[in-house]
Amino acid sequence: GESVGLHLPTLSVQEGDNSIINCAYSNSASDYFIWYKQESGKGPQFIIDIRSNMDKRQGQRVTVLLNKTVKHLSLQIAATQPGDSAVYFCAERWGYSTLTFGKGTMLLVSP
Amino acid sequence: EAGVAQSPRYKIIEKRQSVAFWCNPISGHATLYWYQQILGQGPKLLIQFQNNGVVDDSQLPKDRFSAERLKGVDSTLKIQPAKLEDSAVYLCASSLGGSTYNEQFFGPGTRLTVL
Repeated sequence: GESVGLHLPTLSVQEGDNSIINCAYSNSASDYFIWYKQESGKGPQFIIDIRSNMDKRQGQRVTVLLNKTVKHLSLQIAATQPGDSAVYFCAERWGYSTLTFGKGTMLLVSP
Repeated sequence: EAGVAQSPRYKIIEKRQSVAFWCNPISGHATLYWYQQILGQGPKLLIQFQNNGVVDDSQLPKDRFSAERLKGVDSTLKIQPAKLEDSAVYLCASSLGGSTYNEQFFGPGTRLTVL
């Protein structure tokens, strides 16, 4: 389940489970969204993106869902692995503006 | 392909001292970004360069922060004088261009501690 950890909500799952990380974005005019994964001591790494004219996009083991009505974005990770343990950030952009990152969620995967 | 390089990786200074960070973007990337990431938060953009020109520095505290990218490649970010609240990880990122859909590649960051 989810809990509030050190400034970050935390999702703890077992290896092999599916994980769902949620994000509420701020600007209804945002037209491009990205999910990033950040491991300890590293910079954010691109996972998957989605444009506002889509409501779902799939990658390898990951799916992003976009609900513009309620300004909600989710990242689904199938068959979660210990290597997926990291902090996940959603980011939004509108027009030619710069990326705005949301608050992160820490994913902890136990073997 | 080499990634974005940053140095130093860690820096500890006293408040009111000065500090500088260096970034070498991915070869051929015209756009360079500096972000500040405070513990427990997402990165916040400080400044964006397109080649050697500034595109966006609206969130850069210009009374103490400065950045340059003189030859359109490497960049330095300076803080003078540092305050306690500047303790954070400073991330550099680069992308091929400034277009909305150009992926940004991040370096490992410099962790700054101000005592």
